[in-house]
Amino acid sequence: DAGVIQSPRHEVTEMGQEVTLRCKPISGHNSLFWYRQTMMRGLELLIYFNNNVPIDDSGMPEDRFSAKMPNASFSTLKIQPSEPRDSAVYFCASSFQGDYTEAFFGQGTRLTVV
Amino acid sequence: DAKTTQPPSMDCAEGRAANLPCNHSTISGNEYVYWYRQIHSQGPQYIIHGLKNNETNEMASLIITEDRKSSTLILPHATLRDTAVYYCIVRDRTTSGTYKYIFGTGTRLKVLA
Repeated sequence: DAGVIQSPRHEVTEMGQEVTLRCKPISGHNSLFWYRQTMMRGLELLIYFNNNVPIDDSGMPEDRFSAKMPNASFSTLKIQPSEPRDSAVYFCASSFQGDYTEAFFGQGTRLTVV
Repeated sequence: DAKTTQPPSMDCAEGRAANLPCNHSTISGNEYVYWYRQIHSQGPQYIIHGLKNNETNEMASLIITEDRKSSTLILPHATLRDTAVYYCIVRDRTTSGTYKYIFGTGTRLKVLA
C-alpha cells in the first residue's frame, strides 16, 4: 500500500479564496483524522471520521472549515473563505479502530494564504 | 487536551542510547501509550505502543512503569537521523467507543555527532 496520500503537497492561495485539501486513506482503514500544525499551536486534531461518519468535529476552528468523507477511500477538508491565519501544514491520518492498532500519517499539505 | 507531559528538549550523543521520558499520571486502565516522531515537517511516524508490558520492535523499546503513570522510550543506538520531535500520546477512547490521538508538545531530541 502507498500509505496515506494527500494532495496537493503545497497550496498557495489568496485570501478569500476557497481551498480544498484531499486525502486518500490506507485501504481497509475505517477511521480518518484531519490535523493542523502550526508553530504556535502544534498538532491539533480538527475532526475525525469512523466508517465515513464524522465522530468529533470539536477541533474545527470555525464555520469556514468543513470536512466530508463521501466514501471509505476519500476525504476532503475545505476552507471557505480562506484567511492568512489558516496558513499551516494540514495532515491526514488513517487507522483501523481496534485495541492494538496505530494511525498512519500522510506527508501533509502546506497551505499558504496570502 | 493531551494527557502527557514531556521535557521540551534533550540531547544525545551519536551511538549512545536515547532515553525519552513521559508522564501520564491520569492514564486509565485500558488506555494505550503511543510514541510517534516527526522529522522536520514530515508527517508523524509511528514508533511503538503498549498497554502495560514492555515492548520492543526494530525501532525502539518502550518501558512502562508498573503503575502505568510514566513510560520511557529507548532508542538503543541513536544516529543523526533520529534527530526529531518525539511525541508521547495516551490514546483517548471516546464515548462512542472509537479512538483518537491527541498530540502534546513533544520532546525535541537532537543527536550530536
